[in-house]
Amino acid sequence: AQKVTQAQTEISVVEKEDVTLDCVYETRDTTYYLFWYKQPPSGELVFLIRRNSFDEQNEISGRYSWNFQKSTSSFNFTITASQVVDSAVYFCALDSGAGSYQLTFGKGTKLSVIP
Amino acid sequence: DAGVTQSPTHLIKTRGQHVTLRCSPISGHKSVSWYQQVLGQGPQFIFQYYEKEERGRGNFPDRFSARQFPNYSSELNVNALLLGDSALYLCASSLGRDRYEQYFGPGTRLTVT
Repeated sequence: AQKVTQAQTEISVVEKEDVTLDCVYETRDTTYYLFWYKQPPSGELVFLIRRNSFDEQNEISGRYSWNFQKSTSSFNFTITASQVVDSAVYFCALDSGAGSYQLTFGKGTKLSVIP
Repeated sequence: DAGVTQSPTHLIKTRGQHVTLRCSPISGHKSVSWYQQVLGQGPQFIFQYYEKEERGRGNFPDRFSARQFPNYSSELNVNALLLGDSALYLCASSLGRDRYEQYFGPGTRLTVT
């Protein structure tokens, strides 16, 4: 069975601080995909990144960066120089395939960026 | 291009009633998935449809059913509503069956009283 754990329920930071959101996953599959989604107060989930299990390179996109470490089954997300617009709930998700495409989500981390 | 659209936006139903939620995927996307998101939790997978066939089903009772039409739009039906069915129902579309990015719609907020 797949499982995603986001241990941080809520985080508050002051604008311009860096913040890291943790994600730990469990799967028995050797091939899997990891995702991060952002859910602003409007409710719509916004796709941020997809990473497959064979690519452990870290990725940077503007102020966002992701650190994937198979050895610790973690896929952490860092926002550099946070902004008020970053305030949202962030979800980490896992797809282990096995014939059907279903995402297993963590419970989410609510990020509040204070001006 | 338009994103994933869902209707209605909000819905209030009474216990025991039936509800139908609708989803139109992004143009060119052939896969539609449905998720239930209870307040304070992450979304939970209900169904995936690809090329009009059910390809995956989550751990939900038979009161939940869905279908996909030739134009790839989809309906989620829930019978005999319970208070616990109150949630945000999200539809996601993707190009193919496996491992493509899923793009989510704004959701339908269902309240059961």
